[in-house]
Amino acid sequence: ETGVTQSPTHLIKTRGQQVTLRCSSQSGHNTVSWYQQALGQGPQFIFQYYREEENGRGNFPPRFSGLQFPNYSSELNVNALELDDSALYLCASSPQGASYNEQFFGPGTRLTVL
Amino acid sequence: DQQVKQNSPSLSVQEGRISILNCDYTNSMFDYFLWYKKYPAEGPTFLISISSIKDKNEDGRFTVFLNKSAKHLSLHIVPSQPGDSAVYFCAASTTQGAQKLVFGQGTRLTINP
Repeated sequence: ETGVTQSPTHLIKTRGQQVTLRCSSQSGHNTVSWYQQALGQGPQFIFQYYREEENGRGNFPPRFSGLQFPNYSSELNVNALELDDSALYLCASSPQGASYNEQFFGPGTRLTVL
Repeated sequence: DQQVKQNSPSLSVQEGRISILNCDYTNSMFDYFLWYKKYPAEGPTFLISISSIKDKNEDGRFTVFLNKSAKHLSLHIVPSQPGDSAVYFCAASTTQGAQKLVFGQGTRLTINP
C-alpha cells in the first residue's frame, strides 16, 4: 500500500511569484486536505477536497486555491507569494465516510519565500 | 483564537518512566480527538484517538484520557523509550462536516537514556 506522497520536497520562490504543490493520496482514500505548518506551530487547515469539490476551507485568503483530480491526487496553488507563506505544506488523505477522522499525512513540501 | 492548546513546548523524561503530555481545548463542538507524532523531515503520524463518548482509550504503551468537563485530554506513554523522542501534536475535530483537524502547537518530548 502506497502512502501519501508530495512533490517537490523543497522549493524556493520570491515574493509575488506563484507556486504549485502536488500530492498523491494514499490508495483507496478519496478525501484530501491541505495544511500549512509555520515554524514552531501546529499545522493549520487550509482546505479539503472530496470528489473534486472543495469541502471546507480554513482562514486562508483566496490566493490559496486547490484542485483534486479524478484519481484523487491534488494540487495546492498559491498566487502572489508573501514572505509569511514560508512554511511546511502538508497534504493528508482520508477515506470519506469513515467513522473516524484519522488523516494520513505526507512528508510535506518546505516552501521558502525570499 | 487558539482552540487547541498544548502549554508545554517541551518535556524531558527518563527512559522507562511515564511521559504525560497535556492538551486543552475550548470548542465544545469538538467530539473527536487525536494524537500525532512527528519526526524531523517527516509528516505527522497518527498515534491514537478518542471519541467524546469515551473517557479513556488504550493502545499498547499509549493511553489517552479525556475529561470533557475540563476540556482537557492527556497522552500517557508507559514505559517511555528513546524512540518516543519526537514532537507530539494534539488535534481535535467534529465528526460533522469537513474532516478538519485543529492542531495544538506541539510538545517536544525527549527521552533520556
